[in-house]
Amino acid sequence: DTQMTQSPSSLSASVGDRVTITCRASQAISNSLAWFQQKPGKAPKSLIYGASSLQSGVPSKFSGSGSGTDFTLTLNGLQPEDFATYYCLQYKTYPFTFGQGTKLEIK
Amino acid sequence: EVQLVESGGGLVQPGGSLRLSCAASGFTFSDHHMDWVRQAPGKGLEWVGRIRNEARSHTTEYAASVKGRFTVSRDDSENSLYLQMNSLNTEDTAVYYCASSRGGGIFDYWGQGVLVTVSS
Repeated sequence: DTQMTQSPSSLSASVGDRVTITCRASQAISNSLAWFQQKPGKAPKSLIYGASSLQSGVPSKFSGSGSGTDFTLTLNGLQPEDFATYYCLQYKTYPFTFGQGTKLEIK
Repeated sequence: EVQLVESGGGLVQPGGSLRLSCAASGFTFSDHHMDWVRQAPGKGLEWVGRIRNEARSHTTEYAASVKGRFTVSRDDSENSLYLQMNSLNTEDTAVYYCASSRGGGIFDYWGQGVLVTVSS
């Protein structure tokens, strides 16, 4: 199975900040990577697919990059509603595997 | 309006069985692959399994942790997705989400989740 390692596991930031979350795959997955946002008690929300393509309706403050084994999710101009947990998912091979999550908290 | 609504969760004893349902509306269900994703209390997301769309002959894939115990099925005429869970153990305690996908990593829609608790 392809293991996905996210870092950091938690992150404190202020409103208006720019933050970057990384995800590393244990083997090359091309650009078969998606990012999700999850708020407490809610279902995940899709943000990015294909490593860098924004899901419909997702604001451009979110951006993704990477290919192969190393990927990043960047959030610009943090707003209160952006504080949540973020997960990466590889869908190159079955079984699909999620990263362990990054909890973004208000400083 | 697009909706995915899970049902069928609850408390079950170890070794027991449960069948979850996911009712879809507002989109062309038969065109989408459908996935189950779960989340144990206080933990991260875990992909459980997928059933592909009609064009891909409804073939299935599973996580190793559930293979041989869980079965994903669908009824396109009823716009419904199912997860038959057998031989349940305490590690299967989680909120179970259904999600639709057009493929290519595009997970369009998610249900609100249903809680399954495996306990004696």
